[in-house]
Amino acid sequence: ETGVTQTPRHLVMGMTNKKSLKCEQHLGHNAMYWYKQSAKKPLELMFVYNFKEQTENNSVPSRFSPECPNSSHLFLHLHTLQPEDSALYLCASSDLSRADFSGNTIYFGEGSWLTVV
Amino acid sequence: SQQGEEDPQALSIQEGENATMNCSYKTSINNLQWYRQNSGRGLVHLILIRSNEREKHSGRLRVTLDTSKKSSSLLITASRAADTASYFCATDDSETSGSRLTFGEGTQLTVNP
Repeated sequence: ETGVTQTPRHLVMGMTNKKSLKCEQHLGHNAMYWYKQSAKKPLELMFVYNFKEQTENNSVPSRFSPECPNSSHLFLHLHTLQPEDSALYLCASSDLSRADFSGNTIYFGEGSWLTVV
Repeated sequence: SQQGEEDPQALSIQEGENATMNCSYKTSINNLQWYRQNSGRGLVHLILIRSNEREKHSGRLRVTLDTSKKSSSLLITASRAADTASYFCATDDSETSGSRLTFGEGTQLTVNP
């Protein structure tokens, strides 16, 4: 148990569906992240939220829409995805107030396996 | 662009042997971290080494950092079957300290009983 909970763990959706991934962290952290992990590719940072404000969007297609209503919750809304978007989507959090002192250690959830058919 | 690159991509050893994985990176860093990922699960932080440190230990883990060569190594001593996992290095670079880590592609370690 890492303190970061992702739901659902598995999701199969059609290309015309709309679905959302949810992430909740119980660590009191102030930063939250979405990463995409595809087979045989490095972990790709998608979005960063710092105190609920989006601070980074790594040229992610608009069919992925993040939402961060508060420091503990992060969503990834999915719409009209493509089969190549099938991957493991990892949510993570960290305490940026301690980053300068102890380094930005990131705590990951177990991931949501997404299959687009 | 990819920052950390692990070597080898895959490593298979017998239980009790030591496993060494290497990571090379391109830019200046504040620190370098190693993470572990069991198949289909999230990543778990193992150890962090700062740019002004050369070596760090944690249990059976030993990490070295050579900033002149922009490389790091992770040594797992007396390996166990339960150490089977993918291991990733992640760099926290100077320009964006505190906001992002850049991960390598990982080394898949298999420890045979």
